[in-house]
Amino acid sequence: NAGVMQNPRHLVRRRGQEARLRCSPMKGHSHVYWYRQLPEEGLKFMVYLQKENIIDESGMPKERFSAEFPKEGPSILRIQQVVRGDSAAYFCASSPQGTGETQYFGPGTRLLVL
Amino acid sequence: GEDVEQSLFLSVREGDSSVINCTYTDSSSTYLYWYKQEPGAGLQLLTYIFSNMDMKQDQRLTVLLNKKDKHLSLRIADTQTGDSAIYFCAEPYPSNTGKLIFGQGTTLQVKP
Repeated sequence: NAGVMQNPRHLVRRRGQEARLRCSPMKGHSHVYWYRQLPEEGLKFMVYLQKENIIDESGMPKERFSAEFPKEGPSILRIQQVVRGDSAAYFCASSPQGTGETQYFGPGTRLLVL
Repeated sequence: GEDVEQSLFLSVREGDSSVINCTYTDSSSTYLYWYKQEPGAGLQLLTYIFSNMDMKQDQRLTVLLNKKDKHLSLRIADTQTGDSAIYFCAEPYPSNTGKLIFGQGTTLQVKP
């Protein structure tokens, strides 16, 4: 039973480019969460999605960031016009149901903006 | 407000016990979690405790929960060099949401 998959594991972008991060939840899980970990810090919640729905996006920056979890395929976190401050590790987690369920994390995507 | 606090660093000798402490925010949290992060890796769920329990033991791991003081601890018995990692405590906050709040992480260094 494969765990949460994320790709790419490492992503390098120049300022102004777009970054697309993908997350495939564990089999049987329909809830996905994205977190960001800045250097030397803990994880900060960004967004919680269910298939085709955004449940809670209270942690998403207001501009340049968007997330989706389509009916088919992985969840995508998209960052437009990246800036150096976006350099971080982005982790995806999934759970079988929603609130109150244990979240299992993927290996993360480490984004470096030059 | 939402704030989960942990001490940043702990150094122990191989074979000793390690105790990592955490204070959390929401006394109505149903579960509290401990995750382990090795360098360059994701978060591995280590253990969790249901809020109506005081203690949970799982092999070398013991979790203690003091709800009155909102204090959570993780004890690792017979600490090994492979236990060197960053340990995060986390709680759902607000308690009825899917959002986890994490502490800053405690770096555990195990000396041979």
